[in-house]
Amino acid sequence: DAGVIQSPRHEVTEMGQEVTLRCKPISGHDYLFWYRQTMMRGLELLIYFNNNVPIDDSGMPEDRFSAKMPNASFSTLKIQPSEPRDSAVYFCASSVIRVGYGYTFGSGTRLTVV
Amino acid sequence: TQLLEQSPQFLSIQEGENLTVYCNSSSVFSSLQWYRQEPGEGPVLLVTVVTGGEVKKLKRLTFQFGDARKDSSLHITAAQTGDTGLYLCAGATIIQGAQKLVFGQGTRLTINP
Repeated sequence: DAGVIQSPRHEVTEMGQEVTLRCKPISGHDYLFWYRQTMMRGLELLIYFNNNVPIDDSGMPEDRFSAKMPNASFSTLKIQPSEPRDSAVYFCASSVIRVGYGYTFGSGTRLTVV
Repeated sequence: TQLLEQSPQFLSIQEGENLTVYCNSSSVFSSLQWYRQEPGEGPVLLVTVVTGGEVKKLKRLTFQFGDARKDSSLHITAAQTGDTGLYLCAGATIIQGAQKLVFGQGTRLTINP
């Protein structure tokens, strides 16, 4: 398996523009998580899905953020409009429902909003 | 809100020395996981501890879960430059059948040659 695949690896955009981050989870994993990592706040859970259904989006910072999972092999995280404080590394991770089973993370998307 | 506090936040030591990283919380977790993250990559799972008091060894790394399942430690013996990285602990809780992880802030470890 190629692991969790995220694209793009780097994104630089201007304030006010729409940004879409993409994730392909590991086949057979029924949970998908979106995290954001910054030096100040560490890894923060934004939203997670079970069998393509959003379960908990309480970590999404505000209405400018939205996430979808149209099928088991694809998810997107969209920011519209983007702001400089959204600059961070965004990670997607997938897992299965089993106590003690770890998450498999993608390599992340480094987003810079100027 | 469940919080995990890691200490120290930064640690720089010489190759060959021993070190211990701590992960503490006031909350009880169903399991605790340790991840290692290298620059430009996502965290990679090292180990999961499930039972209170459990000890697991991974070559020179020893992981322990506290008896009350609220804290954990990672001990590295004879550190090597390849151990350099960000070490993250993550506490797991089961909510509505889903395993949800809360991550600590991490310990940034630098092993100097």
